[in-house]
Amino acid sequence: GQQLNQSPQSMFIQEGEDVSMNCTSSSIFNTWLWYKQDPGEGPVLLIALYKAGELTSNGRLTAQFGITRKDSFLNISASIPSDVGIYFCAGHLPSGNTGKLIFGQGTTLQVKP
Amino acid sequence: GAVVSQHPSWVICKSGTSVKIECRSLDFQATTMFWYRQFPKQSLMLMATSNEGSKATYEQGVEKDKFLINHASLTLSTLTVTSAHPEDSSFYICSARWGLGTISYNEQFFGPGTRLTVL
Repeated sequence: GQQLNQSPQSMFIQEGEDVSMNCTSSSIFNTWLWYKQDPGEGPVLLIALYKAGELTSNGRLTAQFGITRKDSFLNISASIPSDVGIYFCAGHLPSGNTGKLIFGQGTTLQVKP
Repeated sequence: GAVVSQHPSWVICKSGTSVKIECRSLDFQATTMFWYRQFPKQSLMLMATSNEGSKATYEQGVEKDKFLINHASLTLSTLTVTSAHPEDSSFYICSARWGLGTISYNEQFFGPGTRLTVL
């Protein structure tokens, strides 16, 4: 099936450092969404991207919809301990309007105080 | 806004019993709801897509008679795990896609999940 390749798989960083993660695919996507999941909770939407080249910020988070529509990145600046969690990218394929999301494998972020 | 609730948050049941999980969109109408399953340290696996008033569409490999889905209104979908067995133990998460009239939007909002443990 369709896959999103998300990297890195995990990161262990020092508080205050910037973080970058990305997703790539061999397929074109119409929408890119970035979610954060805390242990035992459902994913929470961080940023939604709808246009190729779009760059959107949400506080210390910045995400971009790649110009080729096959990739996206998420940056977190000045990380803090509460940034710990699993970050997922997800996207919608152009075919149909089912609303089905394709998910990346997730990036586990740990922040050392 | 865009709050999705799930009930129960966790459930323990005996093998062979059925368990119903509710998913509600609290402050918006959900034209479509989705049910996912997540194993530890893994990504979300889509089980089925549920549209209000119609039959659910199941992903390949998901038994529709095992996982019954009902989407009776624009704010409520239920997943019933029938004759549950230990291998059905997992974290089940629903999501809701916002809609307004006949228009659906691409953002999905997730519920907090339900931890099912089958003994």
